[in-house]
Amino acid sequence: SQQGEEDPQALSIQEGENATMNCSYKTSINNLQWYRQNSGRGLVHLILIRSNEREKHSGRLRVTLDTSKKSSSLLITASRAADTASYFCASREYGNKLVFGAGTILRVKS
Amino acid sequence: DAGVIQSPRHEVTEMGQEVTLRCKLISGHNSLFWYRQTMMRGLELLIYFNNNVPIDDSGMPEDRFSAKMPNASFSTLKIQPSEPRDSAVYFCASSPPLSGGAGTGELFFGEGSRLTVL
Repeated sequence: SQQGEEDPQALSIQEGENATMNCSYKTSINNLQWYRQNSGRGLVHLILIRSNEREKHSGRLRVTLDTSKKSSSLLITASRAADTASYFCASREYGNKLVFGAGTILRVKS
Repeated sequence: DAGVIQSPRHEVTEMGQEVTLRCKLISGHNSLFWYRQTMMRGLELLIYFNNNVPIDDSGMPEDRFSAKMPNASFSTLKIQPSEPRDSAVYFCASSPPLSGGAGTGELFFGEGSRLTVL
C-alpha cells in the first residue's frame, strides 16, 4: 500500500476542546505535511515539518515529528465548528513523491 | 492567481467510453501530480511530472490509463476504455520548484473531477 496509517479514523469533539490526530509513515522522509479537506473540495496545505525538526507551531496547530518511530501528530487547540473536515498527513519521500495517509475525519460539535 | 483548475468537475459516462480529465497548473509551478480518491483506497498517487517529464508512473492502475503534459501549464489524464471501478474523484495538484537541499514541496490541489462510470 502507498499509504501510512492514521488514527483515529474518526474523531468527534465539542467546540473548544483540543483534537489530536496521529500518523505513521513507512519510509525515510524529507518532510511531513498535513492537509485539510472539506467535504467535496480539494485538499489544502496546513503545515509542514522537516525531517530535522521535532515540533512546529502555526496558529492553533501544533505538529510533532518522531523520525525514530516514523510518526507524527497534529494537535488543533480550541477547536471550532469550522474545523470540521478530514485531515491527512503526507510524507514527502526523497525525490518529489508525496504519499498520503488514510485520513482522520474530525467533527466539531457546537 | 486562480489556482489549479480542473475540468470537468463532474463526468458521468458509460463503460467503454473514453474519458479525458484536464488540469491547468499554477503559473510558475513545475511539478504536477495526479491523485485518485475513493472511500476504499483513499488518496492514491497515480503519476507525477517534473518539468513536463513523467518521473514516477508506478501508481497508474493499468494500460487503460495515460497521462500527458504537453506543455508547462497543462496536463491530461485519459482513461480508455473506462470501467465502473474507475469511478472516483481525480485530483490534480501542482508544486513550485523546490528550493535548497531540503525543499518544501507543498502541493496546491484543484477541486477535483468526480468521475462516475456506469
